[in-house]
Amino acid sequence: AQKVTQAQTEISVVEKEDVTLDCVYETRDTTYYLFWYKQPPSGELVFLIRRNSFDEQNEISGRYSWNFQKSTSSFNFTITASQVVDSAVYFCALSVRANYGGSQGNLIFGKGTKLSVKP
Amino acid sequence: EADIYQTPRYLVIGTGKKITLECSQTMGHDKMYWYQQDPGMELHLIHYSYGVNSTEKGDLSSESTVSRIRTEHFPLTLESARPSHTSQYLCASSEFRDPPYEQYFGPGTRLTVT
Repeated sequence: AQKVTQAQTEISVVEKEDVTLDCVYETRDTTYYLFWYKQPPSGELVFLIRRNSFDEQNEISGRYSWNFQKSTSSFNFTITASQVVDSAVYFCALSVRANYGGSQGNLIFGKGTKLSVKP
Repeated sequence: EADIYQTPRYLVIGTGKKITLECSQTMGHDKMYWYQQDPGMELHLIHYSYGVNSTEKGDLSSESTVSRIRTEHFPLTLESARPSHTSQYLCASSEFRDPPYEQYFGPGTRLTVT
């Protein structure tokens, strides 16, 4: 069975603080894909990053960085120098190779972490 | 920028009414999804489709039904709305390929059944 755990339900920080959102996943598949999405108050989910199981390189995009560690089954997301506009719910998600074609690409989402950045 | 649309954005309706939530995308994606998001934020996949005339149930059992007659359109219908159907409904689409690509989400429909 596959599962994504985001243990932090809510995090509150003050602007300019760094913050790390944790994501731990479970799967027996050797080929899988991990995603992060952001859901601002407007409601739609916005894609942030996709990482496949064979690529453990960390990634940095501006103030955002991701740390993928297969040894601990974690794919953590760090925001450096947080800003008020970063306030949102962040979801980590997992996709595995399906046994049949139709469900290919289906995502298993964590429960989300609500980040509040105060000025 | 993703082009996926949902209407209405907000809907308040009485118990027993039939409702259809509309979802359309202009990206030519073969795969489309419906999610239900509860107030606790958790997302549940309730339906998906991988092409015209295909519909599949998701991980969470739902009394709603869907249809996929055209690639760009994936409406969700509730034959008889109940207060337990009150929720946020999110539609998404993606390319249907291996490896899986990201899903693009619509703005959601917030449904309240009184």
